[in-house]
Amino acid sequence: QVHLVQSGAEVKKPGSSVKVSCKASGGTFNSYIMSWVRQAPGQGLEWMGGIFDTTNYAQKFQGRLTITADESTSTAYMDLSSLTSEDTAIYYCARSWNYGQLDYWGQGTLVTVSS
Amino acid sequence: QSALTQPASVSGSPGQSITLSCTGSNTDIGSYNLVSWYQHHPGKAPKVIIYEVSKRPSGVSDRFSGSKFGNTASLTISGLQTEDEADYYCCSYAASSTFEAYVFGTGTKVAVL
Repeated sequence: QVHLVQSGAEVKKPGSSVKVSCKASGGTFNSYIMSWVRQAPGQGLEWMGGIFDTTNYAQKFQGRLTITADESTSTAYMDLSSLTSEDTAIYYCARSWNYGQLDYWGQGTLVTVSS
Repeated sequence: QSALTQPASVSGSPGQSITLSCTGSNTDIGSYNLVSWYQHHPGKAPKVIIYEVSKRPSGVSDRFSGSKFGNTASLTISGLQTEDEADYYCCSYAASSTFEAYVFGTGTKVAVL
């Protein structure tokens, strides 16, 4: 059985950065795309980017989003910089094979950006 | 990479059937059969209920069915039940010469009256 376990909630100041981790167990880590999806309060789901052999980022996050992966620990990371209050959201990692369905999701990490 | 368009809300009575639409473009839904649907209850992680336009993952009720015509995908929920009350999102693979991405829909809130 596949499990994705994310790091805990974060509170950040505007202008700072946040790094959220997603540790996978079960399955073969480097056979899948690991995506990051967020949901701001009252808003819908938004794909931010994903990593497989390369990284792809949504245009909106180009330049301030970095997604990395450590195969030795089966952990993916999402690093978002220059935070504003609009980045307050629940951030999810989610696994897929070759841009198919996002079949397994992490539990979500609440990131709050507040002065 | 614009969001796919979904109606904000759809409602129905228990036992009825409802259909949710999801409209995209020829760089996403219109060109690829990589459309999936997610059920999202507040406070929980989204759950895939349809993938590759019309396939159901193991364990998902056959009351959920999907289809696609042109740039529009649809999700039908038959025999509506109170536990179907949730937010539903479509999602499609999107690609061009300059990008490769997922695009989510704007989301539809389903109410069971």
